[in-house]
Amino acid sequence: GQNIDQPTEMTATEGAIVQINCTYQTSGFNGLFWYQQHAGEAPTFLSYNVLDGLEEKGRFSSFLSRSKGYSYLLLKELQMKDSASYLCAVMDSNYQLIWGAGTKLIIKP
Amino acid sequence: NAGVTQTPKFRILKIGQSMTLQCTQDMNHNYMYWYRQDPGMGLKLIYYSVGAGITDKGEVPNGYNVSRSTTEDFPLRLELAAPSQTSVYFCASSYGGTSGGVPYEQYFGPGTRLTVT
Repeated sequence: GQNIDQPTEMTATEGAIVQINCTYQTSGFNGLFWYQQHAGEAPTFLSYNVLDGLEEKGRFSSFLSRSKGYSYLLLKELQMKDSASYLCAVMDSNYQLIWGAGTKLIIKP
Repeated sequence: NAGVTQTPKFRILKIGQSMTLQCTQDMNHNYMYWYRQDPGMGLKLIYYSVGAGITDKGEVPNGYNVSRSTTEDFPLRLELAAPSQTSVYFCASSYGGTSGGVPYEQYFGPGTRLTVT
């Protein structure tokens, strides 16, 4: 079966660094996406990895290891506005996205 | 560009009623999708379309129907609403393939919050 696992909830302090992990088992792999979703809003695109390694985009970085079926999203210099859910999604062999349940990130001052 | 628009934003239905959720995109994307999102769960694909006139079932299609007569519009029809269809519904679109950007990056509408009582 297809499965995406990520922690349900994480708490971090403003200004700190947090790493959100995602492990996956899917039928085929055509890339891994991270989306951000604020409460009551639509998901918005953060990052895409298709090759192993680290992709950096400002305060956000995303890492992928295809052999381990593992990715993480790293958020630096946390701000209160980063409080949101972070969704990991894998594009399978049919180019459909399989979604994790999301990690709710709570930022405390 | 308005992106992906959805109507209505909120709706309350009685059991057994029917309704259509509207979705329109102005980005000339060939792929369109309908998802539902239940609390604490990931997005579940209901139906998708790879172009006008072509639709296919996703993971949870029962109780829903779709049509795609134009590139821009992808309405979702609920027949005989049931309490299990209480959810937030998101429409999304993407360009199928690479266009210089992220392949298959999905753009989402604001969602429709549906309650069936």
